[in-house]
Amino acid sequence: EVQLLESGGSMVQPGGSLRLSCAAAGFSFSSQAMSWVRQPPGKGLEWVSSISGSGGTTNYADSVKGRFTISRDNSKNTLYLQMNSLRAEDTAVYYCAKEQWLGRDYYGMDVWGQGTTVTVSS
Amino acid sequence: DIQMTQSPSSLSASVGDRVTITCRASQGIRNDLGWYQQKPGKAPKRLIYEASSLQSGVPSRFSGSGSGTEFTLTISSLQPEDFATYYCLQHNSYPRTFGQGTKVEIK
Repeated sequence: EVQLLESGGSMVQPGGSLRLSCAAAGFSFSSQAMSWVRQPPGKGLEWVSSISGSGGTTNYADSVKGRFTISRDNSKNTLYLQMNSLRAEDTAVYYCAKEQWLGRDYYGMDVWGQGTTVTVSS
Repeated sequence: DIQMTQSPSSLSASVGDRVTITCRASQGIRNDLGWYQQKPGKAPKRLIYEASSLQSGVPSRFSGSGSGTEFTLTISSLQPEDFATYYCLQHNSYPRTFGQGTKVEIK
């Protein structure tokens, strides 16, 4: 069974930093791209960032580009999101999601973790 | 960026009703679209992938259709456990973009 478990969320002051982790199990982690998606309180879903299986290719939403860094440690089956220069508008539940690749075909995000909450407030 | 316009933003329906939710893409995305269900306090769960393929384990009352710019999620006979918020997500290009969501409430 595929499992994703996020951790690292907490309350932080504006301008601060935080690193989120997502521990993966039940699939070949290094073979699958991964993503972070966030959801501000009472609002919809927003894609944040994605990373290829090797870690060599990354993509970011404009709202976090230059402040957030996605990375992965395939030896530890763990995905990370380093968040710097945090703003109040970064307050959200952050989900990690597995991207589904079957051979050369890509089918989108299929499995999501339960989320970790980040609150940016003074 | 591809904009996903989802409608309606909310709807009220009764158990047994047929429900239809629509997503329109600002440019063609082939069939690179998924539909997700989210219940309060829970992570999204994928129902449909590639616009019309049913995710394993999802009841057959859920179906998806469409290609290009217009997509539809249909619940053929609404059940009590289906009251939730539904989102579409395009994965044709970056940035990935979601529809605004449709909250399905009990009438």
